[in-house]
Amino acid sequence: DTAVSQTPKYLVTQMGNDKSIKCEQNLGHDTMYWYKQDSKKFLKIMFSYNNKELIINETVPNRFSPKSPDKAHLNLHINSLELGDSAVYFCASSQSGIGELFFGEGSRLTVL
Amino acid sequence: DAKTTQPPSMDCAEGRAANLPCNHSTISGNEYVYWYRQIHSQGPQYIIHGLKNNETNEMASLIITEDRKSSTLILPHATLRDTAVYYCIVRVSRPGGSEKLVFGKGTKLTVNP
Repeated sequence: DTAVSQTPKYLVTQMGNDKSIKCEQNLGHDTMYWYKQDSKKFLKIMFSYNNKELIINETVPNRFSPKSPDKAHLNLHINSLELGDSAVYFCASSQSGIGELFFGEGSRLTVL
Repeated sequence: DAKTTQPPSMDCAEGRAANLPCNHSTISGNEYVYWYRQIHSQGPQYIIHGLKNNETNEMASLIITEDRKSSTLILPHATLRDTAVYYCIVRVSRPGGSEKLVFGKGTKLTVNP
């Protein structure tokens, strides 16, 4: 079983559309994250949730809205997609923010 | 912002030890040194972490200088599958998810046959 799974792996869409990426972890962790990796390969944290509560919101445009229905899931909804949103989005989880993060395989979003 | 400095790239021959350096001269007393790697756009993978003492696991060894201002990740017998970008990160371990794992540019390690 995959520890941190994201869907979809690939997403191609037009500017202005709304899309969602889903993330699930089966590790029993209580903290989940979204990271963005742009074309220059920089990995930047976007959000973290601990026990369904938003802990970190890293000055991300409010077009991005994370939702954590339970500890095992953290979804990312993006409204009014822009060209600059094209990137690989990684979900990760850890236990109480301590120790190692486990990352998913990434979701590659391409906005045309 | 990243608080570590790493060389942008390194090469290593297959079967030899790969020694990846990292400077973290502003590290605080309660900050750990973490190493992750990312193989060709896969999700980053945890390798090892340490506070003061040297650490070893099945993947690598971590050597931290006595003043903690620098460290070296050692892959004892590099294989072609170790070709990846290696990230050195300093991080406070704090419960609740409030601290950030900040990735720098990392070192692109190429293991050559």
